[in-house]
Amino acid sequence: ETGVTQTPRHLVMGMTNKKSLKCEQHLGHNAMYWYKQSAKKPLELMFVYSLEERVENNSVPSRFSPECPNSSHLFLHLHTLQPEDSALYLCASSQAAGTGGDYNSPLHFGNGTRLTVT
Amino acid sequence: GQQLNQSPQSMFIQEGEDVSMNCTSSSIFNTWLWYKQDPGEGPVLLIALYKAGELTSNGRLTAQFGITRKDSFLNISASIPSDVGIYFCAGYSGGGADGLTFGKGTHLIIQP
Repeated sequence: ETGVTQTPRHLVMGMTNKKSLKCEQHLGHNAMYWYKQSAKKPLELMFVYSLEERVENNSVPSRFSPECPNSSHLFLHLHTLQPEDSALYLCASSQAAGTGGDYNSPLHFGNGTRLTVT
Repeated sequence: GQQLNQSPQSMFIQEGEDVSMNCTSSSIFNTWLWYKQDPGEGPVLLIALYKAGELTSNGRLTAQFGITRKDSFLNISASIPSDVGIYFCAGYSGGGADGLTFGKGTHLIIQP
């Protein structure tokens, strides 16, 4: 599967570290998303970029900082995280700009980065 | 915000059995989506439903968009080992990315 690629697959970091998650999509989509997946909880939308501009920020703590340099790449910069931030972070893309799962362009997800904060 | 009640939370079945799971909500949705997540991977879209009452099949999978627009179900017939995974429903009510709500998932386990 070469549609949406996320790196690294696994990341362990201390609370004082700074790290970045990377996502790349090869589907020609114009919107990209970061979701947080925690056990026994629904997927939580964190950020949406449409045409490289941020259109959603669902009250995510400032220790998470997204960056979208172009329509194919998305980053999530992490600093001074807390243990409760440990989760699977999923990147997704879609063709419908900024609509996140519009009926004519459902989300395509990457395989995620499993983040553990110690 | 909107919430989806997905049930059951987990299912333990024998290979060859049929499976049924559903999602309900107090809110109305314009679109229902069903995703499957295999271990170590991201969710993959299985079926998308766009009209109330719509019944759609994808191989051994059948899903329906409830007539009230507040629920949807997914059936899997004659389960096989590769059906193991977590199945998520998602409802879309329009208005941008916040309009997509996910259920908590149904964990399907197939016993030999």
